[in-house]
Amino acid sequence: DGGITQSPKYLFRKEGQNVTLSCEQNLNHDAMYWYRQDPGQGLRLIYYSQIVNDFQKGDIAEGYSVSREKKESFPLTVTSAQKNPTAFYLCASSTRGAGANVLTFGAGSRLTVL
Amino acid sequence: SQKIEQNSEALNIQEGKTATLTCNYTNYSPAYLQWYRQDPGRGPVFLLLIRENEKEKRKERLKVTFDTTLKQSLFHITASQPADSATYLCALAQGSSNTGKLIFGQGTTLQVKP
Repeated sequence: DGGITQSPKYLFRKEGQNVTLSCEQNLNHDAMYWYRQDPGQGLRLIYYSQIVNDFQKGDIAEGYSVSREKKESFPLTVTSAQKNPTAFYLCASSTRGAGANVLTFGAGSRLTVL
Repeated sequence: SQKIEQNSEALNIQEGKTATLTCNYTNYSPAYLQWYRQDPGRGPVFLLLIRENEKEKRKERLKVTFDTTLKQSLFHITASQPADSATYLCALAQGSSNTGKLIFGQGTTLQVKP
């Protein structure tokens, strides 16, 4: 079945550590996105990529980094510079240039800083 | 500033009744608006999209309206069932609709009681 796979589902990190969240899609979508979700808040865009080897900052990119070396993969690294990393992270993908992009989301990764 | 707001209080209704959820926005001129469903601990799932030149869209028991004058969308679930209990998110295109960047409301949690 086509879809988006995020891993790990749960991740615990000590302060000062970098962690990488994986996102893989087999939908042949050009665009991929990372959102962060906190209780009582809407999803906030961290980074997005419309094509391989290119990506742009979203609204809350500070303390995060991404890469897009393959069409299928868009990993997110939460660095030690991110002051409040505990959150639910959602990866999504969509076709590019559709004019009304519908997002397909993964199941999410919950990061907790100890 | 640009804002998108949904009722933060949970909506509790009896099975069989119609649930109506509200999405209001300010300082946007969206080409389209989307509604997603999110279950606890899962990623959002796309439900419906309505364009600025459409007043109403239906899909089975779901109906969405879009009033660009009031800057409001209403999401209706008729003949509601306990299985409809979830959080419902509205989303607007941010910037060019071709980027696929969506800004999300904080969501409204619906609880349907048997």
